[in-house]
This record gives sequence, C-alpha cells and structure tokens, in this order.
Amino acid sequence: EAQVTQNPRYLITVTGKKLTVTCSQNMNHEYMSWYRQDPGLGLRQIYYSMNVEVTDKGDVPEGYKVSRKEKRNFPLILESPSPNQTSLYFCASSQTPTGSYEQYFGPGTRLTVT
Amino acid sequence: DAKTTQPNSMESNEEEPVHLPCNHSTISGTDYIHWYRQLPSQGPEYVIHGLTSNVNNRMASLAIAEDRKSSTLILHRATLRDAAVYYCIAGGMYSGGGADGLTFGKGTHLIIQP
Repeated sequence: EAQVTQNPRYLITVTGKKLTVTCSQNMNHEYMSWYRQDPGLGLRQIYYSMNVEVTDKGDVPEGYKVSRKEKRNFPLILESPSPNQTSLYFCASSQTPTGSYEQYFGPGTRLTVT
Repeated sequence: DAKTTQPNSMESNEEEPVHLPCNHSTISGTDYIHWYRQLPSQGPEYVIHGLTSNVNNRMASLAIAEDRKSSTLILHRATLRDAAVYYCIAGGMYSGGGADGLTFGKGTHLIIQP
C-alpha cells in the first residue's frame, strides 16, 4: 500500500530537548516536504527536498533542520524545541515537485513543547 | 500560488450532490487547480486536480471556468464520510527558485446532514 508514515504520532517534550520526527514514503517519490498546521494559520511549509541531498527552506524554517540521505526518508529535527513549535506536523511526498502531481500526506505528528 | 477564495462552510444532505466553489482570479496560465480535503484528525488527502479541462475521477469532478478564474468541486452523491475541510489551491508549479509548497488557505468546512 502506497503510504507516508510518520513517527511518533504524538510527542510531549520539554523546552531545549532535541527531538527528531521521522518520515518515510514507499512510493519512490523524489519530492518530500514538511508542513506545520496551526489553528487559524492553515498549513505552512517548513522545508522541502527535491531529491537526495537536495533540501531547501519553506515559509517557516526557523528552528528546524532536515536531512535527505536516502530517497525514502526525510526526518525533521528540532535541535532546541521551544513552546512556539507546539503544532501538528505533516510530512508529504510527490513524484516530482511540479504542480501536475498529487501530494501524499502522512497521518501527522502532534507535538507539544512545555 | 494564486490567492483563492472559498466559503467558510457549506452544508448539504446525505446522498445529494455538493458543489464547492472556489475563486482564483489571479491564477497564472501554468497554475494547476488542486483540491485536497482533510478529514478530522487526519492529514490532507488529494481529491482532484486540473489545468484547463474539466476532470473526473472516482472521488469527484472538477469543473473549471473557461477563463480559469473560478472552479467548482462536485461531489456527486455526498456521504457522511465526505464531511471534511476542502481546500482549493491554485499553483504548486515548481518555479525553480523558491519554496514549492502548496498554499493551503482556510478551506471550506463541509457539513453533511443525515
């Protein structure tokens, strides 16, 4: 089954404690990205990756890092989480970055930083 | 992405057709029109997309105005499982220089009455 998986699904952590949210897709997609969703603000893109070893900033990259060492994985790293990073995070992938292909989204990771 | 305007909410009865409108008057000639939906507690899910011609798939139909300044998502026979927030997005074409995330606005909250 074609899917995007994220782990963990729920995470409560404290300010400053480094964490990683994993994202994996099994569709051999080139393009992957991370979004965060906040009430009243919709989904906003954090980082995206065009292919292995190619990543770039989205609209709200501050406080986040990503890496793309393998095509299937695109982890999101919070080196020093802060309460304003409490949010619902979604990973997405698509065959290519062009607008003619659909994006597949993961189930989401709800992060709370206290 | 071009700005899109959708009603905040719409209500329909089960097993009746639903027409969800979207205005995108600043759409460019290369912008695709995408529709995604987000069911409660889930990630966004692709519904349909098109460029100029009307499109049909197993989930819905997309009717695009001749001038491409508006479009309508048609659910032919709504069920309770179609209750979700529906997002209309105009754009997503990779520009080669910047963030390429789909710009999700607030969408239309579709309520289905049994």
